[in-house]
Amino acid sequence: SQTIHQWPATLVQPVGSPLSLECTVEGTSNPNLYWYRQAAGRGLQLLFYSVGIGQISSEVPQNLSASRPQDRQFILSSKKLLLSDSGFYLCAWSGDRGYEKLFFGSGTQLSVL
Amino acid sequence: LAKTTQPISMDSYEGQEVNITCSHNNIATNDYITWYQQFPSQGPRFIIQGYKTKVTNEVASLFIPADRKSSTLSLPRVSLSDTAVYYCLVGGDNQGGKLIFGQGTELSVKP
Repeated sequence: SQTIHQWPATLVQPVGSPLSLECTVEGTSNPNLYWYRQAAGRGLQLLFYSVGIGQISSEVPQNLSASRPQDRQFILSSKKLLLSDSGFYLCAWSGDRGYEKLFFGSGTQLSVL
Repeated sequence: LAKTTQPISMDSYEGQEVNITCSHNNIATNDYITWYQQFPSQGPRFIIQGYKTKVTNEVASLFIPADRKSSTLSLPRVSLSDTAVYYCLVGGDNQGGKLIFGQGTELSVKP
């Protein structure tokens, strides 16, 4: 069966520090991968998605970036965090057809202080 | 991409049937409609998916009219544990993998 791993569960970082969140998927190949962010009490904002290795589409320019170095690995990064980067970050995967279900990781609660 | 519109919030009582409607006026021919449930500090989880007419599973029903410009998630006999945010998502092969959630509906079930 397929599983998705996302870590860490919580993270407290000072403003201006770097960020690296990692997500890995097991039990499937060539998944579509996604990073969403959720501010407190708000909806899900799509940050990045990838339909293949090295293929990244960005929905939010800002100071975040994403990479997909392997088929089932998706990394969210920042060189310098801002206060506004605080939020709940969710990684998700789906099959490679556009109507397939999304499966989410357990999320990372990031607090930038 | 089909934009979705849902009520911001709904209130219900235990044992009642709850219907949450999502509007998606510019849905494309190849798009499917999928509903997700999210509890605080958790990722959303799949509830039900449909293309047209009616779909039913062990937890919910999904009603889609012939024009497919809206859909209604029906939760039979809700309990306190159904208190959550519910999202409808419209997507298909023509979006290149892009999946954007709407604002969601916060359902509060009271005893």
